[in-house]
Amino acid sequence: QVQLVQSGAEVVKPGASMRVSCQASGYILTDHSIHWLRQAPGQRLEWMGWINVGDGNRQYAQNFQGRVSFTRDTLATTAYVEMSGLRSEDTAVYYCARWAASLYDFWGQGTLVTVSS
Amino acid sequence: QSALAQPASVSGSPGQSITISCSGTSSNVGKYNLVSWYQQYPGKAPKVIIYEVDKRPSGVSIRFSGSKYGNTASLTISGLQAEDEASYFCCSYGGKGTVIVGGGTKVTVL
Repeated sequence: QVQLVQSGAEVVKPGASMRVSCQASGYILTDHSIHWLRQAPGQRLEWMGWINVGDGNRQYAQNFQGRVSFTRDTLATTAYVEMSGLRSEDTAVYYCARWAASLYDFWGQGTLVTVSS
Repeated sequence: QSALAQPASVSGSPGQSITISCSGTSSNVGKYNLVSWYQQYPGKAPKVIIYEVDKRPSGVSIRFSGSKYGNTASLTISGLQAEDEASYFCCSYGGKGTVIVGGGTKVTVL
């Protein structure tokens, strides 16, 4: 069955970078784009953008351009999000989700990234 | 990119019906029939319950239904049950490859 398994929780210092992985199984990774969203504590879900795992095209939400990078490793069936210059307000649960033309049909379990000195 | 507007909370008694609105603009909700709804329990990943405005994925209860009028989409939960107590948020395609997410609504079963 389709599964998206994300890497474990991270604690990073302000100004540092983070990288979260999203390993897919049960389907051909290149058939669907992977979107990234995040949810700060008590806040709404925020869309970050997507990566087309097949051709590597990507799009970033305006709020994240310049700080976020989406990559993928097709051999390892894994997608990644990296964010630099982390601030306390970047503390959030980061989700990957599979986009199936008009909906997110499968989600990763979420990865808590805590920015703290 | 503004969020879609949802009420912060909605409540109802068991057996009642409740409706959650999701207000966008003529550039997103009003333009595309690509509105989806998700149910999320605390500490859990979201689960899709409605897609393309009014379609239900296999396995989702028929008590969940979706609709759209103009720039506003709605999710109705009929026959409210204790297990429906969760947060619900909407998503819409926003054009040019973007997705817009609603602010989320917490449903309380009284």
